[in-house]
Amino acid sequence: KNEVEQSPQNLTAQEGEFITINCSYSVGISALHWLQQHPGGGIVSLFMLSSGKKKHGRLIATINIQEKHSSLHITASHPRDSAVYICAAQGGGADGLTFGKGTHLIIQP
Amino acid sequence: DAGITQSPRHKVTETGTPVTLRCHQTENHRYMYWYRQDPGHGLRLIHYSYGVKDTDKGEVSDGYSVSRSKTEDFLLTLESATSSQTSVYFCAIADRFGEQYFGPGTRLTVT
Repeated sequence: KNEVEQSPQNLTAQEGEFITINCSYSVGISALHWLQQHPGGGIVSLFMLSSGKKKHGRLIATINIQEKHSSLHITASHPRDSAVYICAAQGGGADGLTFGKGTHLIIQP
Repeated sequence: DAGITQSPRHKVTETGTPVTLRCHQTENHRYMYWYRQDPGHGLRLIHYSYGVKDTDKGEVSDGYSVSRSKTEDFLLTLESATSSQTSVYFCAIADRFGEQYFGPGTRLTVT
């Protein structure tokens, strides 16, 4: 069973700051997912990656397969980035996801 | 947005009653999943399906059953609801690349 750990659990930062959220997993995977959930809201997929780095706008996700570690970065953070960010590991093919407990991010104006 | 809906969106039921939650997709994706989300536990996989009539158990499958008779529908049934099954239930579908799209969730309260 894959163990997925995220840090920090909670993070409060000022608008404009560079944000990093970390994720580690215990067993080899086929892909690592980063998800976003706003309070009372649904879950949105941000990234799915199996190697290297991906970038969407101000969000960047990286993964190091050898170290079993991934990071999500937010550049020039904004209050609308306030949400829970969840990493999730996917084993083989059709396997469902194993989730971290999430990072609750608050960006203050 | 991926075409995925869940019904009902909210439900309150009594202990011991059967409950069925429905997930419906319009994307014709092969893979479908049921997760539950609880404070302190996060999201956990209940059951998943890799095709019509093909299903398998996830991490927390006890007390739940599923059925998939059509590509577009994946049903989750609590045969006899218990208070420990009070949760928010999310359905998800996965495209051929493995990217998952989540439904809006169903908030279930078992009293």
